[in-house]
Amino acid sequence: DTGVSQDPRHKITKRGQNVTFRCDPISEHNRLYWYRQTLGQGPEFLTYFQNEAQLEKSRLLSDRFSAERPKGSFSTLEIQRTEQGDSAMYLCASSLWKENTEAFFGQGTRLTVV
Amino acid sequence: DAKTTQPPSMDCAEGRAANLPCNHSTISGNEYVYWYRQIHSQGPQYIIHGLKNNETNEMASLIITEDRKSSTLILPHATLRDTAVYYCIVKARTGNQFYFGTGTSLTVIP
Repeated sequence: DTGVSQDPRHKITKRGQNVTFRCDPISEHNRLYWYRQTLGQGPEFLTYFQNEAQLEKSRLLSDRFSAERPKGSFSTLEIQRTEQGDSAMYLCASSLWKENTEAFFGQGTRLTVV
Repeated sequence: DAKTTQPPSMDCAEGRAANLPCNHSTISGNEYVYWYRQIHSQGPQYIIHGLKNNETNEMASLIITEDRKSSTLILPHATLRDTAVYYCIVKARTGNQFYFGTGTSLTVIP
């Protein structure tokens, strides 16, 4: 399969624990995005990478969140000291870096903080 | 990026055309109209996008008004598998993000 892959698909964690999600983009795509989606809402932008450089971060990305894309390929999103409000679907997308191109989304990681 | 307005929900009979409207009255000249859909518990799926000309692909047609202030996504023969939330997004040509609203929940009825 050559689509965007996310792992794990589901994660249940206790409040205060750290969690890490992984995203493998489409291989030739140099842009990678992270979004968060809560129930009944559309996806909200968190951050994006151009190759290994993190170029933009949303105000939604608090200090407890960190994202990396060390070699410009896969990316990780870590949440430290999770809170119940972090419960959401975390979506990864990738695209080519060119004008008016579409982004392709993965199936997401569903995080539940108990 | 310009904001969009969509009806919160619509129904369509199976086999009929589904016409999903979107208002983007503040769109600027370098902004494209994109459509995505999201089936329950899955990631958003790209459908189609366009600037000012009508576009068609294997999934749908996109009709953009001449003044570009609104558009319509057409699913020519809706099936039950087209039941999903449909998002209309306006994004600058060089924009870095897709701003999703709350979309239109389309239910295809047997």
